[in-house]
Amino acid sequence: AQSVSQHNHHVILSEAASLELGCNYSYGGTVNLFWYVQYPGQHLQLLLKYFSGDPLVKGIKGFEAEFIKSKFSFNLRKPSVQWSDTAEYFCAVNARGSGNTGKLIFGQGTTLQVKP
Amino acid sequence: GAGVSQSPSNKVTEKGKDVELRCDPISGHTALYWYRQSLGQGLEFLIYFQGNSAPDKSGLPSDRFSAERTGGSVSTLTIQRTQQEDSAVYLCASSLGAGVSYEQYFGPGTRLTVT
Repeated sequence: AQSVSQHNHHVILSEAASLELGCNYSYGGTVNLFWYVQYPGQHLQLLLKYFSGDPLVKGIKGFEAEFIKSKFSFNLRKPSVQWSDTAEYFCAVNARGSGNTGKLIFGQGTTLQVKP
Repeated sequence: GAGVSQSPSNKVTEKGKDVELRCDPISGHTALYWYRQSLGQGLEFLIYFQGNSAPDKSGLPSDRFSAERTGGSVSTLTIQRTQQEDSAVYLCASSLGAGVSYEQYFGPGTRLTVT
């Protein structure tokens, strides 16, 4: 069975600090990888995704993530966070291949608090 | 354009009552997913629709949970004889096509509280 693990449950940073949120997944086959963000009072929205190709993917608002296949990891990074990045971040995967429905398996989420 | 909408936004019900949660996907999206977000369990998949059929119901936690989709559009998630552990935010998502390569767009959710 697939599973996703996010190492940090609650992260507190000051503005302009660098961010890295860890994500590891467990699955024997090929996966697509996603980071979703949920800002306070808003719905889940896609930050970035990796399907294939360049393992370093760039998303919205200056976020990027790197897929390291050998480590089953897809860590999220941002060089300089802003107060507006305060949100909950979810890593997710779905299994590729015929018969797969696209259902997402999510990590537990990381709450990021950025202090002004 | 309109996104995924869900109603009601909040629902408080007494234990043992039945509830219906509604999802209106983005027009033209053939795939529809229900997820549940709860404190203890995080975000969990419940059920997947392709058109009006549900080829993957593997996430429904018990036979008190059911869902249907009509006209390839609106979906209703029904919980019978609600229990306190059903309290959660129920999220609906839709995507343009079936399978893994389509982005899922999420609705705002319905917050269900069972008292």
